[in-house]
Amino acid sequence: SQQGEEDPQALSIQEGENATMNCSYKTSINNLQWYRQNSGRGLVHLILIRSNEREKHSGRLRVTLDTSKKSSSLLITASRAADTASYFCATGPEGGAQKLVFGQGTRLTINP
Amino acid sequence: DTGVSQNPRHKITKRGQNVTFRCDPISEHNRLYWYRQTLGQGPEFLTYFQNEAQLEKSRLLSDRFSAERPKGSFSTLEIQRTEQGDSAMYLCASRPLAGGRNEQFFGPGTRLTVL
Repeated sequence: SQQGEEDPQALSIQEGENATMNCSYKTSINNLQWYRQNSGRGLVHLILIRSNEREKHSGRLRVTLDTSKKSSSLLITASRAADTASYFCATGPEGGAQKLVFGQGTRLTINP
Repeated sequence: DTGVSQNPRHKITKRGQNVTFRCDPISEHNRLYWYRQTLGQGPEFLTYFQNEAQLEKSRLLSDRFSAERPKGSFSTLEIQRTEQGDSAMYLCASRPLAGGRNEQFFGPGTRLTVL
């Protein structure tokens, strides 16, 4: 079963606007990661934030983590048509477990 | 380094048949994972190998599923007596043992359709 939920399930914005996606999870984590998946293809790692970090940046991406609320957000600034994809958060649990536990994803569409 | 490769990319089979998928991880990645993804959902963990040892299996991996990584390099996932509910994308991922990085590198997946 999935670890948590992502919100919204689908998001459609104009090119150049910012896109924000939220993720909630249920158990204690070691880290939280965001992946992108283009239609029908494999996942590409975007960014990782550790449980002792609150915010992280990578290019046009900004990730926040609130472990007290068990939630994270991904902000994509100045969106481009190429950002159209599904975005998944994935948690790396505590205790040495190796698997990633994914959310259900947000389908992002950037309109030109 | 050509990334994680999976074969075949697509497989259509009839219910009751056996199928086998192959994953070639990034060379020298000790850890290898299999996930299953159904339409509109995120990937779900199936099993994990460290070198040739299968260290964790999900409850999703029923008796009809078996995975191997005999020499600690490529891995195979076999589904016996396929059912329509097995239709999904099967994803393989790998990551190195050392280096402290936790991200996984995914292959393009094998899309299985059971008729």
